[in-house]
Amino acid sequence: NAGVTQTPKFRVLKTGQSMTLLCAQDMNHEYMYWYRQDPGMGLRLIHYSVGEGTTAKGEVPDGYNVSRLKKQNFLLGLESAAPSQTSVYFCASSPQGISYEQYFGPGTRLTVT
Amino acid sequence: QQQVKQSPQSLIVQKGGIPIINCAYENTAFDYFPWYQQFPGKGPALLIAIRPDVSEKKEGRFTISFNKSAKQFSLHIMDSQPGDSATYFCAASWVLTGGGNKLTFGTGTQLKVEL
Repeated sequence: NAGVTQTPKFRVLKTGQSMTLLCAQDMNHEYMYWYRQDPGMGLRLIHYSVGEGTTAKGEVPDGYNVSRLKKQNFLLGLESAAPSQTSVYFCASSPQGISYEQYFGPGTRLTVT
Repeated sequence: QQQVKQSPQSLIVQKGGIPIINCAYENTAFDYFPWYQQFPGKGPALLIAIRPDVSEKKEGRFTISFNKSAKQFSLHIMDSQPGDSATYFCAASWVLTGGGNKLTFGTGTQLKVEL
């Protein structure tokens, strides 16, 4: 049981490049989330999904897109990376019911130069 | 307003001491107040959580105190150990339309427990 996994662990992009971050969970959770973590700012919700085929915007969605074609996967895309998107990105999932308990992946450290 | 304010930003205590981390919120619609613990290079992990109709909750050496009228809550770590050195985030949860919970996080407290 791997829990929540994220790919890749590290990435360096140049301004304007695109990339996709992959999140996978094997706990059959309904809900999945993407956060970014910046120094002194805690974690901020980018997008979330309440089920397969559904997505919704969080607090800081601009510059990101997401898709959840399969229940176990949640993809975060950056179409045209900007230095302001340099951050650590965390994916999380939660089951129906006690969904304030979110299970986080190990994170992806992204640097945009 | 969905902010959660957390203090202090960093904290150093001696082994066996009782670090206290404080948080304050504004929105009364929050339904749970969890604390997350994060070690370097790892994702946050749920430590303990409390509902707003409970004034205190203990789990092992970790205690949440909750003051609903003041809109404040705090984490106490009894008999702190070097292994407790981590970053602690308070959060407030509210139910999203369609299901799931949105967590609003505080800015984190970096705790170091020295021998």
